Amino acid sequence: DTAVSQTPKYLVTQMGNDKSIKCEQNLGHDTMYWYKQDSKKFLKIMFSYNNKELIINETVPNRFSPKSPDKAHLNLHINSLELGDSAVYFCASSLQETQYFGPGTRLLVL
Amino acid sequence: GESVGLHLPTLSVQEGDNSIINCAYSNSASDYFIWYKQESGKGPQFIIDIRSNMDKRQGQRVTVLLNKTVKHLSLQIAATQPGDSPVYICAENLNNPPPILNAGGTSYGKLTFGQGTILTVHP
Repeated sequence: DTAVSQTPKYLVTQMGNDKSIKCEQNLGHDTMYWYKQDSKKFLKIMFSYNNKELIINETVPNRFSPKSPDKAHLNLHINSLELGDSAVYFCASSLQETQYFGPGTRLLVL
Repeated sequence: GESVGLHLPTLSVQEGDNSIINCAYSNSASDYFIWYKQESGKGPQFIIDIRSNMDKRQGQRVTVLLNKTVKHLSLQIAATQPGDSPVYICAENLNNPPPILNAGGTSYGKLTFGQGTILTVHP
């Protein structure tokens, strides 16, 4: 009965590959987010969708493309993975001010 | 024990003592602030929040204090326990983009997070 879930939890891949991370929330929230957390624990917003509509698109390489098939799902596709993409990626959702986070996807690009 | 989140990212306290974790935020226009804790290998978990029209809010064993004059936010944890040992992260809402009104209420679009403070509790 996890509120915000992400798959996979771990992702190890080679440079240049394309990969996707999936996120689902069963909280009935309208807004979903993708964050990147670096090795110093800084959480940085990448994208935000409200009712399947993109509302935040930070300065992120266009190799990163979010997709929201419905308001309960927000997936992140990454093309041509680079070493610097290695990080923990968190999905979150909110109905009002408080954002609820998923468990994270640990991406390691070799 | 007390820490300044940006300059002393580690705070060590004795079990049973009160802890104070500090955070300096950046934007005087921010109107909503939130504290999360993050255990190793997990996502951030909500602790407590406060709006800019308040200067204090209490939860269970935690109190958040907001000083808008000096743009300072602090989290006080009473009777610190070993289970209180994750990383504590503060965040502010910059209102950029502005809040979006949907059927469930207002959805705040963007939180800016601080680096976090590691709390170590000694028995």
